Amino acid sequence: SQQGEEDPQALSIQEGENATMNCSYKTSINNLQWYRQNSGRGLVHLILIRSNEREKHSGRLRVTLDTSKKSSSLLITASRAADTASYFCATDVRGTYKYIFGTGTRLKVLA
Amino acid sequence: GAVVSQHPSWVICKSGTSVKIECRSLDFQATTMFWYRQFPKQSLMLMATSNEGSKATYEQGVEKDKFLINHASLTLSTLTVTSAHPEDSSFYICSALRSSGNTIYFGEGSWLTVV
Repeated sequence: SQQGEEDPQALSIQEGENATMNCSYKTSINNLQWYRQNSGRGLVHLILIRSNEREKHSGRLRVTLDTSKKSSSLLITASRAADTASYFCATDVRGTYKYIFGTGTRLKVLA
Repeated sequence: GAVVSQHPSWVICKSGTSVKIECRSLDFQATTMFWYRQFPKQSLMLMATSNEGSKATYEQGVEKDKFLINHASLTLSTLTVTSAHPEDSSFYICSALRSSGNTIYFGEGSWLTVV
């Protein structure tokens, strides 16, 4: 399976703390994307990072990419209860526009 | 921003019947769309690539005769689950590739429950 791995599978933190999620993938990529999914809902796009980029920020989100290790991390700073959701990384299959999703991290932020 | 619409959002059908799910790109043309399936508390698994005007390309292990995909226009792809069984109950999500800009947009998903 080409599916990437994410860790931790589940994460429970207090409001205000930072949350870090890691994603590892298997093949060469052009882009890596992070998505959020609230329970039973569709995907919300968070950030796209290209293979020639090492770090990107968007508000309270910080994404890093290490192509040599085939890994990425998503940091959510100053977490809020509303950040409670599942977070997925998705990598494109080089040469196509297919995206393969990681196993996901279920984040729970306690108020 | 670009929007991809799925219909229905949720559907309940009886075992043995067929059910169709639509994926529409509302304000852009999409020559390529993708269909994913997600079981509860699991990740999204790519089922197939839908190409406008040609046959879909299925991922390994996905039965093409069970999951019929039709991409008859530049804005619409349909997934038909034939002879549905309870184990087909899942969340189905499509994505559409915006031809200009090469950007992927996801639909909101469709819940299928087979009883």
